[in-house]
Amino acid sequence: EIVMTQSPATLSVSPGERATLSCRASQSVSSNLAWYQQKPGQAPRLLIYGASTGATGIPARFSGSGSGTEFTLTISSLQSEDFAVYYCQQYHIWPRTFGQGTKVDIK
Amino acid sequence: EVQLVESGGGLVQPGGSLRLSCAASGFTFSSYWMSWVRQAPGKGLEWVANIKQDGSEKYYVDSVKGRFTISRDNAKNSLYLQMKSLRAEDTAVYYCARDSPYCGGDCSDYWGQGTLVTVSS
Repeated sequence: EIVMTQSPATLSVSPGERATLSCRASQSVSSNLAWYQQKPGQAPRLLIYGASTGATGIPARFSGSGSGTEFTLTISSLQSEDFAVYYCQQYHIWPRTFGQGTKVDIK
Repeated sequence: EVQLVESGGGLVQPGGSLRLSCAASGFTFSSYWMSWVRQAPGKGLEWVANIKQDGSEKYYVDSVKGRFTISRDNAKNSLYLQMKSLRAEDTAVYYCARDSPYCGGDCSDYWGQGTLVTVSS
């Protein structure tokens, strides 16, 4: 199975700053990559699919890029509601697999 | 509004069984692949199983094959997960999720709030 590795494990950012999260696949997943946001005690929320397409209702400050094995989620200007854990997930090869998550907390 | 509501979780002894249910509303349930995804306490996400719109195809992660069975009742807009021979490592919050056609059915665009399964003696 494909192993997804996210970095850093924790990212400390001040409100209004840019956050850049990374996700690496153990082999190419083309553009078959999704990003999710999960807040404490809540279910995950789909942010991005196809590596760069925003899901319905997702604010424009969230953007995704990359293909193959290297991917990035960028939050252009962090809002208070964006402090959460973010997971990447590949769906190129069965079974779908998730990264271990990056926690974005307040600096 | 899309809603997914799980039920059926609880405390069960190792080797025991449990059946999870998920009630869906706000969309045409019979038109979507559906999945179960779990999250062990303090850990990341793990896809468990999914099922095709008409129930004719089912897939499982290796760690639950032969122990878990996914099913659905489109007339009742409901998804199920029958779990047998439960182990301590099955302890997790289990989420019911709708699979998105934008990802070929392999990412999930709506999730329930989850139900906690604890396997312990």
